[in-house]
Amino acid sequence: DAGVIQSPRHEVTEMGQEVTLRCKPISGHNSLFWYRQTMMRGLELLIYFNNNVPIDDSGMPEDRFSAKMPNASFSTLKIQPSEPRDSAVYFCASSLGADVEQYFGPGTRLTVT
Amino acid sequence: GESVGLHLPTLSVQEGDNSIINCAYSNSASDYFIWYKQESGKGPQFIIDIRSNMDKRQGQRVTVLLNKTVKHLSLQIAATQPGDSAVYFCAENMGVRTSGTYKYIFGTGTRLKVLA
Repeated sequence: DAGVIQSPRHEVTEMGQEVTLRCKPISGHNSLFWYRQTMMRGLELLIYFNNNVPIDDSGMPEDRFSAKMPNASFSTLKIQPSEPRDSAVYFCASSLGADVEQYFGPGTRLTVT
Repeated sequence: GESVGLHLPTLSVQEGDNSIINCAYSNSASDYFIWYKQESGKGPQFIIDIRSNMDKRQGQRVTVLLNKTVKHLSLQIAATQPGDSAVYFCAENMGVRTSGTYKYIFGTGTRLKVLA
């Protein structure tokens, strides 16, 4: 298996632009998680899906952030409009259920100037 | 100006020695715990997990100990190798199975440096 796939690996954008991060979970996994990692706040859970349904989005910073999972093999995290404070590494992880080990992707390093 | 970030505690260990990394978790109701290893430029990688009905679990060269009384978790790495150098995170699952919601809280991490 290729593991969790994220794209792009690096994204540099200007403040105010829309940013879309993509994730392909491991085939057969039914839970998907989006995390953000910064030096200031460490690793934070933003949202997770179970069977393509958003279960807990309490970690999403504000309305500028949205996440979708249209099918079992694809999820997006969108930031519109982006701000410099959104600069971070965004990780996607998947698992067989929500209370078992998670497999992380390589992350997308986002820089908003 | 200088940026202020999380100060990661660092553990320096001689190659071949045993390492012990500690973690305090926050919620006495948490019932599932995971240790992750994160190498520079990579995503966290699962090492070992433990559920709250156990107090010890062993893997290959790693052991996790859980002390629910003081809400403490530790990761022991035997015969530490250079490849073990990384940041190690503990995570607790503040899950509520009745509602089907789960929330993972990660610790700030500990940097392990293996000295040759």
